[in-house]
This record gives sequence, C-alpha cells and structure tokens, in this order.
Amino acid sequence: ETGVTQTPRHLVMGMTNKKSLKCEQHLGHNAMYWYKQSAKKPLELMFVYSLEERVENNSVPSRFSPECPNSSHLFLHLHTLQPEDSALYLCASSQERAGGTTHEQFFGPGTRLTVL
Amino acid sequence: AQSVTQPDIHITVSEGASLELRCNYSYGATPYLFWYVQSPGQGLQLLLKYFSGDTLVQGIKGFEAEFKRSQSSFNLRKPSVHWSDAAEYFCAVVAHDYKLSFGAGTTVTVRA
Repeated sequence: ETGVTQTPRHLVMGMTNKKSLKCEQHLGHNAMYWYKQSAKKPLELMFVYSLEERVENNSVPSRFSPECPNSSHLFLHLHTLQPEDSALYLCASSQERAGGTTHEQFFGPGTRLTVL
Repeated sequence: AQSVTQPDIHITVSEGASLELRCNYSYGATPYLFWYVQSPGQGLQLLLKYFSGDTLVQGIKGFEAEFKRSQSSFNLRKPSVHWSDAAEYFCAVVAHDYKLSFGAGTTVTVRA
C-alpha cells in the first residue's frame, strides 16, 4: 500500500449504529487530519492530530470521536449519527517540521457515509 | 481569518481548448497557496503549490498557476484540456500553522 488509505470506502448506517472509519498513511508523516466534504460546501476540517496528540477540534459534535493510536493510523468513531452527517469523510496526512510545516497534505480516497 | 473564493461553480470547456480557473484569497500577508483536483469517487490530489519565489508555478498534468499579489489571486491554467481533466478543482490557502482553508470548488466538464 502506498499513500493514504481509507476503509471502508462506502458505509451505510442507521442512526443508532456504532461504526468506525479507518485511515492509514504509509508516508512516514507525523500529522493526520479528518475532513468532512458535503455536497456544494467547502471541505470542513474536523480534527487534527500532530505527533499523535489532538491539536484541533473544530467544534465537531461529540457523536464523532477520533482516535490516533500511532502516527500511521487514525480512526473516526461514529455513534448515533444524524442524516445530515451523510458526506464524504476524507483523511489526510502531512509532515510537520520544527519551525514550521510543509503544509502539503496528502489525501486518502475518502469514505462515503450514508446515514439512514 | 483567511478565506478562499472560487467564483466559478461550473465550467464547461471543449477538449483541446484552454482552461482557466479563478481563485481569490483573503489574507494580509503572503499565504501558502495550493490547487487540488478531485476526480469522481477519489480523494484530493495536489496539482501545484506556491510558497515563495517565482510567481508562475508549474504543476503536474500540464497545469500551471500564477500568483498575483496585487489581485490576491492564484488562477490555475492549462493550455489544452484533455477529457481526463474533467474533475472538481479546489483552491486552498494556509495562512499559518497547518490549517488549510478550501474554496467551494469548481467543477470542470470537458466536451468532445
């Protein structure tokens, strides 16, 4: 595997289900991100992890819970979602360096989530 | 706060014709600027980036972009479009740290 991978690619869940999205980066990066992409809206940054610590939580509802067990893996745990949470969820990674970051983020293919 | 505007929601262009996608940003200092492309069902792929130096930046797939500070713009161009260029294109800006702000995107349709 190369780059950033995400599983599953498609997910349909009911509002009472619990599911998890997985992201894995094979680039040796030390920062990872979750974005939400809804139709006709700009990408929304949800969470940022740098060196496995959460450094950003962009006012995301608690029904979304991220987990970053190591620098290569990122999860998004989903619980009691709403239909308006249906979207494409994108994971990205980047390499941060002392004194600044390259800012260049590499994206996975996304998970298309549908909440019924 | 920094913001990005892509004025064109949808552009249709004939194969072989030139393409220009507009991007305007709002930020006081010189930002870091990016163009990404997203094909249907795929994630975002970086086309090119501008950090400093030469204001005309060359990217992959024959794309280029020009940073114009006076116009707060970073427009993307391609001299001759191929059918495979049909996709959605996003301009993004980083003003500080690692936060990317994206425009709403421009969908490009290529007709034969």
